[in-house]
Formats: sequence, structure tokens, C-alpha cells
Amino acid sequence: QSVLTQPPSVSAAPGQKVTISCSGSSSNIGNNYVSWYQQLPGTAPKLLIYDNNKRPSGIPDRFSGSKSGASATLGITGLQTGDEADYYCGTWDSTLSAGVFGGGTKLTVL
Amino acid sequence: QLQLQESGPGLVKPSETLSLTCTVSGGSISSSSYYWGWIRQPPGKGLEWIGSIFYSGSTYYNPSFKSPVTISVDTSKNQFSLNLRSVTAADTAVYYCARRGPGGSSSIWFDPWGQGTLVTVSS
Repeated sequence: QSVLTQPPSVSAAPGQKVTISCSGSSSNIGNNYVSWYQQLPGTAPKLLIYDNNKRPSGIPDRFSGSKSGASATLGITGLQTGDEADYYCGTWDSTLSAGVFGGGTKLTVL
Repeated sequence: QLQLQESGPGLVKPSETLSLTCTVSGGSISSSSYYWGWIRQPPGKGLEWIGSIFYSGSTYYNPSFKSPVTISVDTSKNQFSLNLRSVTAADTAVYYCARRGPGGSSSIWFDPWGQGTLVTVSS
């Protein structure tokens, strides 16, 4: 059971937009910054978003992040088949004194 | 371009110690801006943060971790290491090393990551 809650799967057609939610509490998302990672099959996670909504260099602006209260959202526009992957949210939990991740969301591009 | 590479045994017996090393290239582990961390992923499951270390040796660990953990750093070799003692089958996972971003305590993110190494705990 992960501290952060993500939907197990989402799907959308190529070219469409999808959002992935990440729900937590005041001890984690509510008072700390959120990051998002993309994990393509058989590869290491790759940072997509940090500090709620900042993109590292090289990450296209099709990927966006937002946070409201104790929940965060990853948005992906202009979906491509190459976006099929597992997506994870992460943050710091001030009560646990630990970095925590969501259980992951599998994105299928139909 | 900063790169990280994990190395160590792929098979460890139950009750023994799992030892992995992460070699950093393309940059110095002694940068005053960054911590370095270990994260693991059991087969078919999600990510779990193990702990992080600063080049000075300052460490912090996930208190939820059942197995005793030690992370150390060797700045002369540009490496940091993970020791997980008294392992069980539940410690079977892909282990990743990664650089933590330079934010404060409320900002924890990792980039880049090593490719990961699968460690199986089995007799």
C-alpha cells in the first residue's frame, strides 16, 4: 500500500490529452513539492517534472504538472505511442521523514 | 553528461548482506549541491526510497525499512555504496542509484538514474 494514491491505469487515443492523478495528505503532497517520473518498459525511471510544475531541460512541454492541496496531477497532451509507460509521482513525507512514491499508473495509448 | 552505474552481485543468500556500488562519471560526487540516493523496485511493483548520502558522509534513511541499511561514500573513487544486512526474499528487487536534486528538505526528486541492477535473494 503506497502512501501516495495513483490510478492503476489510464488510456487515451493518439493525439489526445490524458491526466494522471496523485493523491496524498498534508504530511506529504500538501506541504512538499511533487515530482513525476516516466518508466518505459525495462528501463530506469526518468524525471519528467520536479517542484510541482518544472520541467528539466529536454522534456517537451507536452508534459505538465500541477498541484492543488494534497493532490497533484500530471498532464500529457498530444499523446504518442512512445508515451506508453508507467508513471510515478513522488514527494517527501514530513511525518514519515522519508521520500515516498505513488504505486504507479500504466498509460496505454490506444 | 552525468552518468551513474550500479554494480554488485546479482544473487545474495537469505540472511546475508547485499552490497552494491554506484559509480558516478561525468561529474563529481563531491558537489556541494547534491545528495545521492538509492531507490529500489521489486519485480512488478512500485518504487521505494531507501536512503541518501552527502559527499561529507551525512546520511538519512527511510525509517520504514525493515532490513538494516548503511550507505557510505568514497569521494576518491567517485562512488557511493549500499549495504543491506540480513536480507530476505522480500529484498529481491531492481536497485537504482540516482542523484537527488538540490532543493531543500521539502523538495525531493531524482535525476539522473542509473540503469538499475537486479538483485535476487535466494538460497
